[in-house]
Amino acid sequence: DIQMTQSPSSLSASVGDRVTITCRASQTISNYLNWYQQKPGKAPKLLIYAASSLQSGVPSRFSGSGSGTDFTLTINNLQPEDIATYFCQQSYTTPYSFGQGTNLEIK
Amino acid sequence: QLQLQESGSGVVKPSQTLSLTCGVAGGSINSGGYSWNWIRQAAGQGLEWIGYIYQSGNTYYNPSLKSRVIISIDTSETQFSLTLRSVTAADTAVYYCARGAERSFDIWGRGTMVTVSS
Repeated sequence: DIQMTQSPSSLSASVGDRVTITCRASQTISNYLNWYQQKPGKAPKLLIYAASSLQSGVPSRFSGSGSGTDFTLTINNLQPEDIATYFCQQSYTTPYSFGQGTNLEIK
Repeated sequence: QLQLQESGSGVVKPSQTLSLTCGVAGGSINSGGYSWNWIRQAAGQGLEWIGYIYQSGNTYYNPSLKSRVIISIDTSETQFSLTLRSVTAADTAVYYCARGAERSFDIWGRGTMVTVSS
């Protein structure tokens, strides 16, 4: 099975900051990497698919990059509503697997 | 806009069977190319993919649960279901159904909490 490792596990940033979350796969997954945002008590929401494609309706301050084993989610101009936990997920092969999550807080 | 809604048993006794259904509204479960998935999340934990089914009936299950899981689909009722046998406390979680598209999960249900307890 492919293991997904995110870092950091938590971070605190200020409104207006640029935030970067990384995700590493235990083997190459090409660009089959998705990012989700989960707010407390809510279902995850798809932000980025295929490593860098922005899901419809998602603000353009969210972006993704990477291929192979190393991927990045970037949030530019951090907003208060971005407080959430972020998960990466590989869809290269079954069983699909998720990272452990990054908990983002606002300073 | 397609919406998914989970329903089913909220409390299940150890060793018994968990049964959940995901209703699909505002769209067709018969649309080709989509997978219909179950995913769970234990309290304070990450996400675990359970398995998927296609409209054709083809399924794939996470090997970690394969011996206990069945996912079925009822296209006439526009719903799909999860059955998990021989549950233990480790199966206590929020269970989500989700549509698979472009190899991502683009639409999710709100989730339903299942507690395994005697």
